Amino acid sequence: KQEVTQIPAALSVPEGENLVLNCSFTDSAIYNLQWFRQDPGKGLTSLLLIQSSQREQTSGRLNASLDKSSGRSTLYIAASQPGDSATYLCAVKTQGAQKLVFGQGTRLTINP
Amino acid sequence: DGGITQSPKYLFRKEGQNVTLSCEQNLNHDAMYWYRQDPGQGLRLIYYSQIVNDFQKGDIAEGYSVSREKKESFPLTVTSAQKNPTAFYLCASREGGRNTGELFFGEGSRLTVL
Repeated sequence: KQEVTQIPAALSVPEGENLVLNCSFTDSAIYNLQWFRQDPGKGLTSLLLIQSSQREQTSGRLNASLDKSSGRSTLYIAASQPGDSATYLCAVKTQGAQKLVFGQGTRLTINP
Repeated sequence: DGGITQSPKYLFRKEGQNVTLSCEQNLNHDAMYWYRQDPGQGLRLIYYSQIVNDFQKGDIAEGYSVSREKKESFPLTVTSAQKNPTAFYLCASREGGRNTGELFFGEGSRLTVL
């Protein structure tokens, strides 16, 4: 059974810092991994989707990497801004499974 | 603009009442999903549908029902049998036939039982 873990549960950093969010999964036989952002009281916004054949994806200041063999993905945020404050979730689509498995999320606070 | 529309945004229900949450998408996606989100528990899958007129139970289907009569619509009914219905409900969709497709979410509906 696939399990997805995000550590830490919360992170607070000053504005302007580069930071890394972590996502670990137990079964490396995946189709893809997706990173989402969720603002309080809102739905999830898709940030990046990495297919199993890819090593990384980039969108603006965001870069997501995938290492299937070690069961890890990282989301790198460059030059963080207060507007980046949100909860970030990762989700994994495992081969042979119909549904995504979500991590519990990391609540990120960027301090001005 | 293409997207997923959930309504109502906020809903209050008395105990013993059934309520229906609406989810409509104009992305032409085949697959649609309903998730429940509770503080400290993450997202849990209630029901999903890969194609019109077909749907499957997720991890916490008890006390819920769905229908998929049209490709663009996937309403969720929270019945009186659901013991703890107060939660944030999220609808999502994905291109069908492609397990590699990106998942998109609506803005959510918050249900409170009085």
